[in-house]
Amino acid sequence: DTGVSQNPRHKITKRGQNVTFRCDPISEHNRLYWYRQTLGQGPEFLTYFQNEAQLEKSRLLSDRFSAERPKGSFSTLEIQRTEQGDSAMYLCASSARQGAGGYTFGSGTRLTVV
Amino acid sequence: AQTVTQSQPEMSVQEAETVTLSCTYDTSESDYYLFWYKQPPSRQMILVIRQEAYKQQNATENRFSVNFQKAAKSFSLKISDSQLGDAAMYFCAYKEGNSGGSNYKLTFGKGTLLTVNP
Repeated sequence: DTGVSQNPRHKITKRGQNVTFRCDPISEHNRLYWYRQTLGQGPEFLTYFQNEAQLEKSRLLSDRFSAERPKGSFSTLEIQRTEQGDSAMYLCASSARQGAGGYTFGSGTRLTVV
Repeated sequence: AQTVTQSQPEMSVQEAETVTLSCTYDTSESDYYLFWYKQPPSRQMILVIRQEAYKQQNATENRFSVNFQKAAKSFSLKISDSQLGDAAMYFCAYKEGNSGGSNYKLTFGKGTLLTVNP
């Protein structure tokens, strides 16, 4: 297992276009998380899946954002009608259990909206 | 809501010296976990060290150790014998314990950029 994989690594898109990112978690991990990190800030929580169920969505996740995790394996994060304010690093992480276990993060997808 | 504050945007240290990164947090919970993550430039975030709030003993991982002061809500990271590879952004993070309603969510500080000078 090579860890948490995110694709693409970089995405440049024009304002108003739709984009989709993919995250492949560690195969044994049933919990998956999306975070957003803007320049000079720490990551901010976006959403959380346990298996295929999306258990929480942050208020940061407007109705232009949608995340799915079909079959409890990989996850996609789609942003519709992108805006310049969506430019950020989108991080995916996974974990096997609650408690003291930390997350394993992917390398992120850097989105630039021009 | 829980908050995590890292008051040092940037720090620098000479190779082989010791540096301490500060972190304070605010919570009304008694059961929680604290973490330090390292994020090298253009690379993924890596867990450096973790601390369970119910443990009085400070966590240690090789050259990395913490000073956990629960009453003061302080959680500093000490890096001993600093190496060039330690240069990165360091994030302090908080997570509620198992009984918390949001016990899956990490709350991060804004980070401290550590430079290691040869």
